[in-house]
Amino acid sequence: AQTVTQSQPEMSVQEAETVTLSCTYDTSESDYYLFWYKQPPSRQMILVIRQEAYKQQNATENRFSVNFQKAAKSFSLKISDSQLGDAAMYFCAYRRDFGNEKLTFGTGTRLTIIP
Amino acid sequence: NAGVTQTPKFQVLKTGQSMTLQCAQDMNHEYMSWYRQDPGMGLRLIHYSVGAGITDQGEVPNGYNVSRSTTEDFPLRLLSAAPSQTSVYFCASSYSYRVGEKLFFGSGTQLSVL
Repeated sequence: AQTVTQSQPEMSVQEAETVTLSCTYDTSESDYYLFWYKQPPSRQMILVIRQEAYKQQNATENRFSVNFQKAAKSFSLKISDSQLGDAAMYFCAYRRDFGNEKLTFGTGTRLTIIP
Repeated sequence: NAGVTQTPKFQVLKTGQSMTLQCAQDMNHEYMSWYRQDPGMGLRLIHYSVGAGITDQGEVPNGYNVSRSTTEDFPLRLLSAAPSQTSVYFCASSYSYRVGEKLFFGSGTQLSVL
């Protein structure tokens, strides 16, 4: 079974600085997708960024980028120029590239932005 | 744009009661799903649907029923509520069931079963 591990329950960063959230996963599949979702205090889950495993190039979305290391099964999220609005729970998630419709989520990392 | 709308936002039930959590989307999405979120755990899939009239079980389906009579609506029924079903429930949809599709989430229903 696929598992997703986020080893940092909480992180904090000074406003305008850079922070990296860690995620590792376990799978025997070669084709899959990885996602980072943000859950602000409003509770609604919002997709931040996604990565297709067959693409070697790391995905980027404005201030958000990932470091995807397929061999190491690592998928970290880097947030540059942190802003107060980035404060939230961040969930890493995995999905196989066929059949099963399940997203497997990690347990989340709570990110605090220090003004 | 309403997106994915869940009602109610909060609900308290007594053990053994039944209720339906409502989910509606106005984006003509094929794929709809229900997740539950428990403290210290990631979201877990309860049931999903890839189109009207088609539903299937997810990771934790016991104690829940779903139906999909229209493209827009995907209600989740608790048959006989138990304290173990205390959780936050999220409905999510996407344009299709293709793996890489972005999921749109509702704002959740916080359910307490006493």
